[in-house]
Amino acid sequence: DGGITQSPKYLFRKEGQNVTLSCEQNLNHDAMYWYRQDPGQGLRLIYYSQIVNDFQKGDIAEGYSVSREKKESFPLTVTSAQKNPTAFYLCASSGTGGDSGNYGYTFGSGTRLTVV
Amino acid sequence: GNSVTQMEGPVTLSEEAFLTINCTYTATGYPSLFWYVQYPGEGLQLLLKATKADDKGSNKGFEATYRKETTSFHLEKGSVQVSDSAVYFCALITGFQKLVFGTGTRLLVSP
Repeated sequence: DGGITQSPKYLFRKEGQNVTLSCEQNLNHDAMYWYRQDPGQGLRLIYYSQIVNDFQKGDIAEGYSVSREKKESFPLTVTSAQKNPTAFYLCASSGTGGDSGNYGYTFGSGTRLTVV
Repeated sequence: GNSVTQMEGPVTLSEEAFLTINCTYTATGYPSLFWYVQYPGEGLQLLLKATKADDKGSNKGFEATYRKETTSFHLEKGSVQVSDSAVYFCALITGFQKLVFGTGTRLLVSP
């Protein structure tokens, strides 16, 4: 079955460390997205990519970095510059143009990052 | 710009009660509308959608009708279950824009 896989499900980071969250999709979607969700809050867009080797900042990109070397993969690195990284991180993908209007986004199951 | 407004939660109901979660939107053009559901500790799942005015999306007993005249897409269910306890997000997309989410509404159903 097609879908999005995020790993790991739980991740612990020490102060000052960089960590990378994995997101892989086999839906043949062109576009991929990273969101952050804090407890009891909505979704905030970190980065998105509409095509391989290209990505754009979202609303809260500071302290994060991404790459899009393959269509299937869109890893997110939480750097030490992110002062409050403890949150639930969600990856999503979609077709582009009319496909996203017809089908919306498909989400992974999330990674919960905790700073220890 | 595009925006979605949802009713504040939590919505607390007893099992078998009728559910309405209000969603209104502002959009340029003709948006597609979605309801997503998030169970505790999980990602978002698409619950239902409607792509043009007067369309009714339905799934798992939930329904929502795309009302262009009132710019609304309210979520309803005739008889909720404890297993429906989750956070519900209304969202829209227009053309080549990104999906815009409401802030989410938490539903708590007690036995």
